[in-house]
Amino acid sequence: AQTVTQSQPEMSVQEAETVTLSCTYDTSESDYYLFWYKQPPSRQMILVIRQEAYKQQNATENRFSVNFQKAAKSFSLKISDSQLGDAAMYFCAYDRSNFGNEKLTFGTGTRLTIIP
Amino acid sequence: DGGITQSPKYLFRKEGQNVTLSCEQNLNHDAMYWYRQDPGQGLRLIYYSQIVNDFQKGDIAEGYSVSREKKESFPLTVTSAQKNPTAFYLCASSIWTGGTDTQYFGPGTRLTVL
Repeated sequence: AQTVTQSQPEMSVQEAETVTLSCTYDTSESDYYLFWYKQPPSRQMILVIRQEAYKQQNATENRFSVNFQKAAKSFSLKISDSQLGDAAMYFCAYDRSNFGNEKLTFGTGTRLTIIP
Repeated sequence: DGGITQSPKYLFRKEGQNVTLSCEQNLNHDAMYWYRQDPGQGLRLIYYSQIVNDFQKGDIAEGYSVSREKKESFPLTVTSAQKNPTAFYLCASSIWTGGTDTQYFGPGTRLTVL
């Protein structure tokens, strides 16, 4: 079974600085997808970024980028120029590909605090 | 506006009662999901449905039931058989894009058992 581990329960960063959130996963599959979701105090889950395992290029979305290391089964999220609105819980998630409507496996989350 | 709505936002239940949580989407997504979130934990899948009139159990289906009579709607019933139902419940729907389903979430329902 797939597992997703987020070893940092809490992180903090100074506003405008850069922070990296860690995620590792365990799978025997060769083709899969990885996601980062953000859950602000409103508690709605918001998709931040998605990475296809077959792509070597790291995904980027504006100030958010990932460092995907397939051999190490590592998928970290880098937030550049941190803003107060980035304060939230961040969840890493794994999905097998090409099977259709498979469930996501979530990590336990990292709470990110932005220091003004 | 397109999106996923959940109602109510807060729900209180007495022990022994069944309650139903609503989830509606107007995104024309085929698949819908129900997750449970407890403090300090990630999301755990309760049920999911790929098409109308079909649904599958997730990891923690005991004490819950669902129906999928319409593409837009996927209500979740928390029955009296669920031993510890106090939690935050999230509904999601997904669309197949680029080889996988990308799931989008509703705002959630907080259920408290009194």
